[in-house]
Amino acid sequence: GAVVSQHPSRVICKSGTSVKIECRSLDFQATTMFWYRQFPKKSLMLMATSNEGSKATYEQGVEKDKFLINHASLTLSTLTVTSAHPEDSSFYICSARDLNREISNQPQHFGDGTRLSIL
Amino acid sequence: GEDVEQSLFLSVREGDSSVINCTYTDSSSTYLYWYKQEPGAGLQLLTYIFSNMDMKQDQRLTVLLNKKDKHLSLRIADTQTGDSAIYFCAAVFSGGYNKLIFGAGTRLAVHP
Repeated sequence: GAVVSQHPSRVICKSGTSVKIECRSLDFQATTMFWYRQFPKKSLMLMATSNEGSKATYEQGVEKDKFLINHASLTLSTLTVTSAHPEDSSFYICSARDLNREISNQPQHFGDGTRLSIL
Repeated sequence: GEDVEQSLFLSVREGDSSVINCTYTDSSSTYLYWYKQEPGAGLQLLTYIFSNMDMKQDQRLTVLLNKKDKHLSLRIADTQTGDSAIYFCAAVFSGGYNKLIFGAGTRLAVHP
């Protein structure tokens, strides 16, 4: 089946550090990837939709300058949390949709998530 | 805005059937999905159903869709301890990029 690899799986760093998270589709191409944030025991909150070769579309309330998204190829999207602070600590999950399947029949395939802890 | 709601917790005995319910508001949602999340892990796609279907069965999983009431359910037959996880219902939002709107998740606890 379709595999999405997310790296790193866990990050612990000091306040003020910028952290980059990678999301790769391993056996399929994805023009669209999604970045979610999940708080403890809560649902997934869509942060932004990442589009290959163009600017990401951010959801309301998500700071574009805080969460930088780059989708430079059909298999890789990155999320950079800039100048991270303790309130940015969370579980970040990416997903990707297979380009080659009909648009109306494309389930999203998820990575295993990145647990970010800012001290 | 678009919304998906689920019951938050379900406890069943091993071997019994589990039924997890979900309601959604976007009547034009074309696909509805069920994902499973184990502790500390990402989401695993379990199954999905197209909006013109009433039922879909896949081994121990049965999905029922009542489009009129915008109600979706997931039945797990012969529930096992390995089924303990959080189950998310998600609906495709027709407003753009076919993004998914997730419910809050139902925590399924299976006890002997």
